[in-house]
Amino acid sequence: AQSVTQLGSHVSVSEGALVLLRCNYSSSVPPYLFWYVQYPNQGLQLLLKYTSAATLVKGINGFEAEFKKSETSFHLTKPSAHMSDAAEYFCAVSERDDKIIFGKGTRLHILP
Amino acid sequence: GAVVSQHPSRVICKSGTSVKIECRSLDFQATTMFWYRQFPKQSLMLMATSNEGSKATYEQGVEKDKFLINHASLTLSTLTVTSAHPEDSSFYICSASDRAIIGGYTFGSGTRLTVV
Repeated sequence: AQSVTQLGSHVSVSEGALVLLRCNYSSSVPPYLFWYVQYPNQGLQLLLKYTSAATLVKGINGFEAEFKKSETSFHLTKPSAHMSDAAEYFCAVSERDDKIIFGKGTRLHILP
Repeated sequence: GAVVSQHPSRVICKSGTSVKIECRSLDFQATTMFWYRQFPKQSLMLMATSNEGSKATYEQGVEKDKFLINHASLTLSTLTVTSAHPEDSSFYICSASDRAIIGGYTFGSGTRLTVV
């Protein structure tokens, strides 16, 4: 069965600094991988997804993630943090259109 | 893009009553829909997978008699919380799978259920 581990339940970065949110996955088949963002009391917004095309995936709001099979990782990055990036971020995995399983989430704090 | 409409967005009910939450795919056919539950400051936990015209598949630990799922058409799935209790208060989110798009999952905006 697939699973996701997000390292760090809270991450703080200064405004303008690099954002790095870590995600490692486990899957018995080549997975689909996702990053979602959730603002307080709202639903999920898809940032980006990997579906076995290019390993470097570019998403919305300047975010990108790189699929590394050898490391079973799918870390999310953004070169320069903005105050509006403060939110909860979820990494998720599915086994080819099967159910999506979410990681525990990482709360991103942006320091002025 | 694909849109999933979920309502109500908020509902308050009394203990012992039942509440129905609807999830509709507006511009695509969703043969499979998923229901998640999210407690405050926690992740989304998959409750069940529903396939159109068949019984839902529940995750371990989820009471199927308490959380009734119906997926009667390709565009509508419903979750009914029966005999609700305060511990059922949570944020419920549905997701629909669009098979025409690789990795095409679309999420509803969620329902905040408060049982008093």
